[in-house]
Amino acid sequence: EAAVTQSPRNKVTVTGGNVTLSCRQTNSHNYMYWYRQDTGHGLRLIHYSYGAGNLQIGDVPDGYKATRTTQEDFFLLLELASPSQTSLYFCASRTGGALEQYFGPGTRLTVL
Amino acid sequence: GDQVEQSPSALSLHEGTDSALRCNFTTTMRSVQWFRQNSRGSLISLFYLASGTKENGRLKSAFDSKERRYSTLHIRDAQLEDSGTYFCAAEKGNTRKLIFGLGTTLQVQP
Repeated sequence: EAAVTQSPRNKVTVTGGNVTLSCRQTNSHNYMYWYRQDTGHGLRLIHYSYGAGNLQIGDVPDGYKATRTTQEDFFLLLELASPSQTSLYFCASRTGGALEQYFGPGTRLTVL
Repeated sequence: GDQVEQSPSALSLHEGTDSALRCNFTTTMRSVQWFRQNSRGSLISLFYLASGTKENGRLKSAFDSKERRYSTLHIRDAQLEDSGTYFCAAEKGNTRKLIFGLGTTLQVQP
């Protein structure tokens, strides 16, 4: 079973704050993803990457940066957090082939 | 854009009954993945299908292999622990990206 971990699991910050969400996968998957989940919208893709140093823009990228430092680690950065970014964030990974995505446990972010 | 439409949006069942959830796709999809989200927010992967059917205990899923425009999830003999929100997500072509539906919230009652 693929392992995807996220930290922190919960985070509270203030408007204008700087937040970094971390994701690590230990299965040598090529692809990693960041999603946000909001009521009424399901899960929406923010950014994704197919390898260290690579970054692809997802469907809702505004206000977010991301960086893939290694095969294992993918970070989501909110440099000027806003209340609209209050959400449940999921990280996921998969191999390069036509296979399923494996999801982390989620990070609940609240921006006051 | 391309969409994944789930039905019903909400469903209430009594223990021991059967149900079927459906996902329709506005375009041909390569594969589909089904998830259950529990009350703590954790997403549990139930099935991944590129074609045909898969079964796991009381759950069975099918993906329309001919036109690749819909998928179903059948729950047999529903139990209280089946309660949660079920999501399907589909991949179009070789995009490596999933498009999620809005989910079906299932409540199983004694």
